[in-house]
Amino acid sequence: AAGVIQSPRHLIKEKRETATLKCYPIPRHDTVYWYQQGPGQDPQFLISFYEKMQSDKGSIPDRFSAQQFSDYHSELNMSSLELGDSALYFCASSPGQHNSPLHFGNGTRLTVT
Amino acid sequence: GESVGLHLPTLSVQEGDNSIINCAYSNSASDYFIWYKQESGKGPQFIIDIRSNMDKRQGQRVTVLLNKTVKHLSLQIAATQPGDSAVYFCAENMDTSGTYKYIFGTGTRLKVLA
Repeated sequence: AAGVIQSPRHLIKEKRETATLKCYPIPRHDTVYWYQQGPGQDPQFLISFYEKMQSDKGSIPDRFSAQQFSDYHSELNMSSLELGDSALYFCASSPGQHNSPLHFGNGTRLTVT
Repeated sequence: GESVGLHLPTLSVQEGDNSIINCAYSNSASDYFIWYKQESGKGPQFIIDIRSNMDKRQGQRVTVLLNKTVKHLSLQIAATQPGDSAVYFCAENMDTSGTYKYIFGTGTRLKVLA
């Protein structure tokens, strides 16, 4: 079965650079969530989209923005990168119905040097 | 506040024994709960879920128990195998002003001893 696809798998950036992470949800899933996971930490909710509209916002810095496109893929844009942004970034999708589990991709590991 | 926490950060069990991973949640309005398994370098993988109108649900070798009175969730793994070694997270689905989001708790690392 098709899963959530994230790209790139690994990304190395320097401080103050920008990064764009991409997420392709499972077909027919119209809801996308972004999570940030630091080493040894639980996933922290950043932002979510339903039908191309932002549906909820968590602890996402103002330096980050995201959007969901007409084909339901989503991109997380990160600017003025800081060392503390180094983490695993996961995208998850769901069919948008309440009480549906999230299906996660394998993440993008971002390293800021 | 909004939080889902776990009592034990690390659990070591002998291969073949049963494992029990616990989770306490704080929002009594949460009505849907999920257990995820995360292996190193991978995203969280869905294991089993339970709705708040149930107190028990069984899957293959796994059982989730929900006690709404004390806001407690547990995952039981029968006959634990080496492949069960991973970090386990519980997550609650809560209504926040008309939208739903999933809040994860601190994971428990399960180590299976040969």
